Amino acid sequence: KQEVTQIPAALSVPEGENLVLNCSFTDSAIYNLQWFRQDPGKGLTSLLLIQSSQREQTSGRLNASLDKSSGRSTLYIAASQPGDSATYLCAVPMNNAGNMLTFGGGTRLMVKP
Amino acid sequence: GAVVSQHPSWVICKSGTSVKIECRSLDFQATTMFWYRQFPKQSLMLMATSNEGSKATYEQGVEKDKFLINHASLTLSTLTVTSAHPEDSSFYICSARDFRGTFNEQFFGPGTRLTVL
Repeated sequence: KQEVTQIPAALSVPEGENLVLNCSFTDSAIYNLQWFRQDPGKGLTSLLLIQSSQREQTSGRLNASLDKSSGRSTLYIAASQPGDSATYLCAVPMNNAGNMLTFGGGTRLMVKP
Repeated sequence: GAVVSQHPSWVICKSGTSVKIECRSLDFQATTMFWYRQFPKQSLMLMATSNEGSKATYEQGVEKDKFLINHASLTLSTLTVTSAHPEDSSFYICSARDFRGTFNEQFFGPGTRLTVL
């Protein structure tokens, strides 16, 4: 059974800092890995999707890396802003045939002005 | 990216009533949609997989007679919480996969907050 863990559970940083969020998974035979953002009381916004054959994806100030062999992914946020404050979730499909996602517990990020 | 909507955004109901939540893919067809539940300060837990034209597949521990799922068209799936009780209060989120792309990316609805009094 795939288990996804995110560290840290919560993070508070001053504006402008570069930061790294970590995601680990127990079964390295993943199809892809997706990073989401969730604002309080809201749904999920897809940030980045990394296919199993890729090592990283970039979107603006966000960079996600994937190391399948070690079962890890990181989300790097450059020059953090107060608007980045949210919960960040990583998720992997439960199997290769379907797309049901197993989510990590999330990292609650607070960027202080 | 693809857009998924949910209706209603929030609902408050009395214990014992049934509540229907709609999930729509607005600009693509989705043969499969997924329903998740999220309790406060917890992550999302998959409840069931909704398949167009066939019965839903429920995760272990989810009562299929309590959480009725209907996927009558390629753009609409509904989740009905029957005889709702306070413990059913939660944030319900649906998702759908856009098969047009080359990636198996899921797009999520904005969620529906259910409060049962």
